[in-house]
Amino acid sequence: GQNIDQPTEMTATEGAIVQINCTYQTSGFNGLFWYQQHAGEAPTFLSYNVLDGLEEKGRFSSFLSRSKGYSYLLLKELQMKDSASYLCAADNTDKLIFGTGTKLQVFP
Amino acid sequence: DVKVTQSSRYLVKRTGEKVFLECVQDMDHENMFWYRQDPGLGLRLIYFSYDVKMKEKGDIPEGYSVSREKKERFSLILESASTNQTSMYLCASRHARDTGELFFGEGSRLTVL
Repeated sequence: GQNIDQPTEMTATEGAIVQINCTYQTSGFNGLFWYQQHAGEAPTFLSYNVLDGLEEKGRFSSFLSRSKGYSYLLLKELQMKDSASYLCAADNTDKLIFGTGTKLQVFP
Repeated sequence: DVKVTQSSRYLVKRTGEKVFLECVQDMDHENMFWYRQDPGLGLRLIYFSYDVKMKEKGDIPEGYSVSREKKERFSLILESASTNQTSMYLCASRHARDTGELFFGEGSRLTVL
């Protein structure tokens, strides 16, 4: 079967670091996407990991372990505008399979 | 600036009506997708298409059909709308078959009464 798991909700404080985990199980796997979605808006691309390891892009980093079927998104120096849903998606050759998303709330 | 445009942001329809949701992309992408997004269920794939006149069923195709007469346009059709099709519908596109970022439209929020 195909399954993407991520926590439903998380909270954090402005300036802090938060890690959002994602585990996946899919038939066929090319890589792992992370998208950000603010309420009422379309998802926007954050990162795409194909190889194992950490990829850093400013305040956001994403990690992939293909052997463990595991990824995480790391957000540093949190800002209020980072309050959003974060969607993990496995690239299954033909299509992307999305998790249910993690709603992150950042408090002052 | 790359763009995926959905024709309607908000629609209200009655049960049994035929509904057309249009999506146009200006990036010459081969692949186009229709998802619906519901609270607690995430994005679920309805249909996708690799090329003009080609279509593939996603995970939840029942009650929907699609049309891809031109490369840039992918339409989602609800032949007879039902209340359980009230949802946010997101169109997306991307270039190659197995790589590349997925670009999303703004979404169409459909309410079926």
